[in-house]
Amino acid sequence: DSGVTQTPKHLITATGQRVTLRCSPRSGDLSVYWYQQSLDQGLQFLIQYYNGEERAKGNILERFSAQQFPDLHSELNLSSLELGDSALYFCASSVGEAGTYEQYFGPGTRLTVT
Amino acid sequence: AQKVTQAQTEISVVEKEDVTLDCVYETRDTTYYLFWYKQPPSGELVFLIRRNSFDEQNEISGRYSWNFQKSTSSFNFTITASQVVDSAVYFCALSEAYTGANSKLTFGKGITLSVRP
Repeated sequence: DSGVTQTPKHLITATGQRVTLRCSPRSGDLSVYWYQQSLDQGLQFLIQYYNGEERAKGNILERFSAQQFPDLHSELNLSSLELGDSALYFCASSVGEAGTYEQYFGPGTRLTVT
Repeated sequence: AQKVTQAQTEISVVEKEDVTLDCVYETRDTTYYLFWYKQPPSGELVFLIRRNSFDEQNEISGRYSWNFQKSTSSFNFTITASQVVDSAVYFCALSEAYTGANSKLTFGKGITLSVRP
């Protein structure tokens, strides 16, 4: 158990809908990263927050947004869902914001868009 | 730009065989970090090791060992006396030391290891 929690574990929804994925980092970790894992793209970085502030963006679609709250939990919002958004979404946390620190991953949320 | 190449896609071995998983990386930075993660069939990503670019000492942890060679930009992972529980997808990843987008992990495509009894 990494100490990172993600809810829900599975999510099935229809095209055009909006969903929210939730992540709680390990105790003491200030940085949260979101990654998407799909068969064709592999594991791709989406966005990073550190202590409530956005720090870096990767290949994140404009339909996707995220935030980190004062209690350090983070939410990833996916809207106007398309079939291609079906993937495993991981949250990871680390103690600092630099690449120096190892990232610990949550169990992931499997999103299926039908 | 960062890049991680795991040329092997699938490896199948019989239990107790040794197996080496290859990883080749590209980066322009002199300071960077390399990682290996394991993804078992249950789906979670499990951190195995972090190595910084200034430390080329090989590392051994039980049946696992890692060989880092800057001259060939490789960070290979060997499992000695493999077991069925080692069956998983293994990812090599790279991050640069700085903050911002360079702190993200860049992953290879992963190697699916199957260990047969």
